[in-house]
Amino acid sequence: DAGVTQSPTHLIKTRGQQVTLRCSPISGHKSVSWYQQVLGQGPQFIFQYYEKEERGRGNFPDRFSARQFPNYSSELNVNALLLGDSALYLCASSSDWRNQPQHFGDGTRLSIL
Amino acid sequence: QKEVEQNSGPLSVPEGAIASLNCTYSDRGSQSFFWYRQYSGKSPELIMFIYSNGDKEDGRFTAQLNKASQYVSLLIRDSQPSDSATYLCAQREDSNYQLIWGAGTKLIIKP
Repeated sequence: DAGVTQSPTHLIKTRGQQVTLRCSPISGHKSVSWYQQVLGQGPQFIFQYYEKEERGRGNFPDRFSARQFPNYSSELNVNALLLGDSALYLCASSSDWRNQPQHFGDGTRLSIL
Repeated sequence: QKEVEQNSGPLSVPEGAIASLNCTYSDRGSQSFFWYRQYSGKSPELIMFIYSNGDKEDGRFTAQLNKASQYVSLLIRDSQPSDSATYLCAQREDSNYQLIWGAGTKLIIKP
């Protein structure tokens, strides 16, 4: 069975641009969560979606937004990119909203120049 | 503020020995914990989860939860060089099921 898939794997953008990251959960999983991870730190929670509705939001500015589609795939959008947005963006899926447990995709490495 | 804390390491352990990784937490309410392994440049991979006080064993791995002392441990028996990685501890909040993550402990297994 396919695991969580994320695209693209790497992305280079400049300050002020916008980016869209994509995630497809494990088949049968209805919950998708997005995390930002910078070097030397644990993942920081950005959003959780379950059944196309937002279930949780972390402490990130409004430049970050997300949505979930009827097939449970998800997109994370980041507007007005800043240098500090450079990080590994992780998508995790779980069978329900209780995150028991979460399984991660390979991530998208975003570099801002 | 709820926190999960881990010693950043590196923790160096000889091959074949037991590696002991610890994680302390501030939120007494939650009883659900997860251990993930993360190789450099890769994404976290689930190793074990533990939902109740006591020990849980899976192959070479044992997770231990001590609610009274507010710590959770991961023991790796017969450590192998392939176990060299950063180990992340996460606590799941009871209120909203979100995960609170530690910063991870870097483990180095020396041949």
